[in-house]
Amino acid sequence: NAGVTQTPKFQVLKTGQSMTLQCAQDMNHNSMYWYRQDPGMGLRLIYYSASEGTTDKGEVPNGYNVSRLNKREFSLRLESAAPSQTSVYFCASSARLVVGNYGYTFGSGTRLTVV
Amino acid sequence: QQPVQSPQAVILREGEDAVINCSSSKALYSVHWYRQKHGEAPVFLMILLKGGEQKGHEKISASFNEKKQQSSLYLTASQLSYSGTYFCGTENTGNQFYFGTGTSLTVIP
Repeated sequence: NAGVTQTPKFQVLKTGQSMTLQCAQDMNHNSMYWYRQDPGMGLRLIYYSASEGTTDKGEVPNGYNVSRLNKREFSLRLESAAPSQTSVYFCASSARLVVGNYGYTFGSGTRLTVV
Repeated sequence: QQPVQSPQAVILREGEDAVINCSSSKALYSVHWYRQKHGEAPVFLMILLKGGEQKGHEKISASFNEKKQQSSLYLTASQLSYSGTYFCGTENTGNQFYFGTGTSLTVIP
């Protein structure tokens, strides 16, 4: 019953460093998402993957790249971290992209600080 | 595109009721409700599809008025465990999904 697993849970980066956030789900969901959460701004979509082999930009994609490695795994990469990317990052999955009857299952989050 | 939630914050005593509203400027296909406790991930509560249905989850229920493009979450006889931030998420008829900015709910003894 793992659901959605994210690693790492915490990370501190220096400006300009790169890193990859990992996400894996074991619910056989087709769609996966990366959100960032900032105080007072709710959850904003960075990138999503409707199904294995496809990825698309969300509301705030600048500075990020993603890879849908297989049906289970969806990673988020910061190529050159900036202080504006300090945030809490959540991975989520759902059975299908057009959410309709299906809610999101979220991972536990990654707290990223860029100094 | 982002739905607007009201109020932004509310403090209740145990046993009191609360209503959280979610309003969109776009025609909606569905509304989701999530609860997030401090330092944790959001947890899915319920989905409402267009048609004005009302759903319930323990003592938490919700309604969806598609004509007004609004949804309301009702918490009755609140418990300490209800504390957290509540988010609505709206899927519009263009298949776009957005989360609201959240409503902080604090239940005190």
